[in-house]
Amino acid sequence: EAQVTQNPRYLITVTGKKLTVTCSQNMNHEYMSWYRQDPGLGLRQIYYSMNVEVTDKGDVPEGYKVSRKEKRNFPLILESPSPNQTSLYFCASSLWSFARYEQYFGPGTRLTVT
Amino acid sequence: DAKTTQPNSMESNEEEPVHLPCNHSTISGTDYIHWYRQLPSQGPEYVIHGLTSNVNNRMASLAIAEDRKSSTLILHRATLRDAAVYYCILRNTDSWGKLQFGAGTQVVVTP
Repeated sequence: EAQVTQNPRYLITVTGKKLTVTCSQNMNHEYMSWYRQDPGLGLRQIYYSMNVEVTDKGDVPEGYKVSRKEKRNFPLILESPSPNQTSLYFCASSLWSFARYEQYFGPGTRLTVT
Repeated sequence: DAKTTQPNSMESNEEEPVHLPCNHSTISGTDYIHWYRQLPSQGPEYVIHGLTSNVNNRMASLAIAEDRKSSTLILHRATLRDAAVYYCILRNTDSWGKLQFGAGTQVVVTP
């Protein structure tokens, strides 16, 4: 089944403890992206990747890191999480980045930073 | 970026059609109109997209006004599973994959 998977689905952590949220897709998509969703703010893009080893900042990259060493994986790293990073995170992938291609989203990771 | 305007909520009876409007009066010639929906506790799901012509797929139809300043997503026979937030999004060819979701329309389906 074609899908985007994220792990973990739920995570509660403390301020400053490094964490990684994994994202994997099995559709051989070139493009992958991370978003966060907060009430009243919609989905906002954190980082995106056009291909292996090619990443760039989205609208809200502060406090996050990403890497794309393999086509299928695009982990999101929080080196020193803070409470304002408490949010619902979605990974998405698309065959290409171009506007006419749809994006496929993962099920989400709900992160709470205390 | 061109903005979209959608009603906050709409109600429909099960098995009746639902017409979801979206206004995008500042749309440019290179903006694609995309629709996504988000069911409770799930990630957004692609529904349909178009550029100038009306489009149909297994999930819905997209009717685009001739001047492209508005569009309508049509769910032909609403089911309880269609209860979700529906987002109308403009994607420019220069957007490099970025999706900017607004508040969307909450669709309520009544049995």
